[in-house]
Amino acid sequence: ETGVTQTPRHLVMGMTNKKSLKCEQHLGHNAMYWYKQSAKKPLELMFVYSLEERVENNSVPSRFSPECPNSSHLFLHLHTLQPEDSALYLCASSQEGSSYYEQYFGPGTRLTVT
Amino acid sequence: AQSVTQLGSHVSVSEGALVLLRCNYSSSVPPYLFWYVQYPNQGLQLLLKYTTGATLVKGINGFEAEFKKSETSFHLTKPSAHMSDAAEYFCAVRRAGNMLTFGGGTRLMVKP
Repeated sequence: ETGVTQTPRHLVMGMTNKKSLKCEQHLGHNAMYWYKQSAKKPLELMFVYSLEERVENNSVPSRFSPECPNSSHLFLHLHTLQPEDSALYLCASSQEGSSYYEQYFGPGTRLTVT
Repeated sequence: AQSVTQLGSHVSVSEGALVLLRCNYSSSVPPYLFWYVQYPNQGLQLLLKYTTGATLVKGINGFEAEFKKSETSFHLTKPSAHMSDAAEYFCAVRRAGNMLTFGGGTRLMVKP
């Protein structure tokens, strides 16, 4: 595997379910991000982890719970979601402290909440 | 604070025509600017970036962008559109740390 991978690519869940999204980066980076991309809305930054510590949480509802067990893996645990949470969830990584500021994105998980 | 405005949420061009996607930014510090492309059902892919140095930046797939400080702009261009360029394009500016602020995106449609 190369770059940033995300699983599953598609997920349908009911409002009472619990599921998790997984992201893995194979780039040796030390920062990871979760974004939400909804139709007709700008890309929304949800969480940022740098050196495995959460450094930003943009007022995301508690039904979304991130976990970063090491610098290569990032999870987003989901529970009791709402239909408006249906979106494409994108993971990204970057190298904090380098002169290269770009983020590298995974293909995303298309989430549908029924 | 940093912000990005992309003028035109949809742009349509004919195959072979010039592509021009507009991006204006505001930044309280010297900006680092990026263009990303997103094809259907995929993540964002970096097209090009400006950090310092030469103001005309060349990227992948024949795209380039010019940083104009006086106009606070970073417009994306390609001399001749190809059908495969149809996608959504995002301009972004770096803010604190390694975080990026994205524009709302521009969907490029290419007509045969």
